[in-house]
Amino acid sequence: RKEVEQDPGPFNVPEGATVAFNCTYSNSASQSFFWYRQDCRKEPKLLMSVYSSGNEDGRFTAQLNRASQYISLLIRDSKLSDSATYLCVVNEGYNFNKFYFGSGTKLNVKP
Amino acid sequence: ETGVTQTPRHLVMGMTNKKSLKCEQHLGHNAMYWYKQSAKKPLELMFVYSLEERVENNSVPSRFSPECPNSSHLFLHLHTLQPEDSALYLCASSLRGGGVPETQYFGPGTRLLVL
Repeated sequence: RKEVEQDPGPFNVPEGATVAFNCTYSNSASQSFFWYRQDCRKEPKLLMSVYSSGNEDGRFTAQLNRASQYISLLIRDSKLSDSATYLCVVNEGYNFNKFYFGSGTKLNVKP
Repeated sequence: ETGVTQTPRHLVMGMTNKKSLKCEQHLGHNAMYWYKQSAKKPLELMFVYSLEERVENNSVPSRFSPECPNSSHLFLHLHTLQPEDSALYLCASSLRGGGVPETQYFGPGTRLLVL
């Protein structure tokens, strides 16, 4: 069983749409959670950390559900520039080397 | 952004060659990582160095050899690679003990092609 699982997509949405991705993780002891964005042929870049209380950064909202062991990312008012692959990352927290990456969800925002 | 730099950005090598990838971080971090990213697969952790301690993924072949001379520099020495080693090699760094959550920052990667 994979430590982190994501729907690979692609999610094809029109500009202005709202889109949501989920990511499930297997280790209930996981401590910290992140969403990264990766553009084609580029490195992953931190989009946002995910806090227990949920957090928002502009058009992006992240939620954590510990009971069901998933995190979500909601993007409102999608822009063409949001087209990318979104990586879910989970860290067990107690071992610094225990970062687990999902395979990513591809988003295509179309005009 | 120049927080984490990697050279070369692209590398083509034959199976008998020896080459090295270089990573440098300018963020004052104390942990550095090598990852391999193959198409359609999640990032695979290869090696970690933190506070002079090295942790490795036991599934990484011995033809990959890391070196970390100090907390700002990380190398990955390559020798007698196979075509299936062709991938994007990403370096990352983080600040261990700097607060929760510990966050990784990535370099631009070296795209490696083994012929």
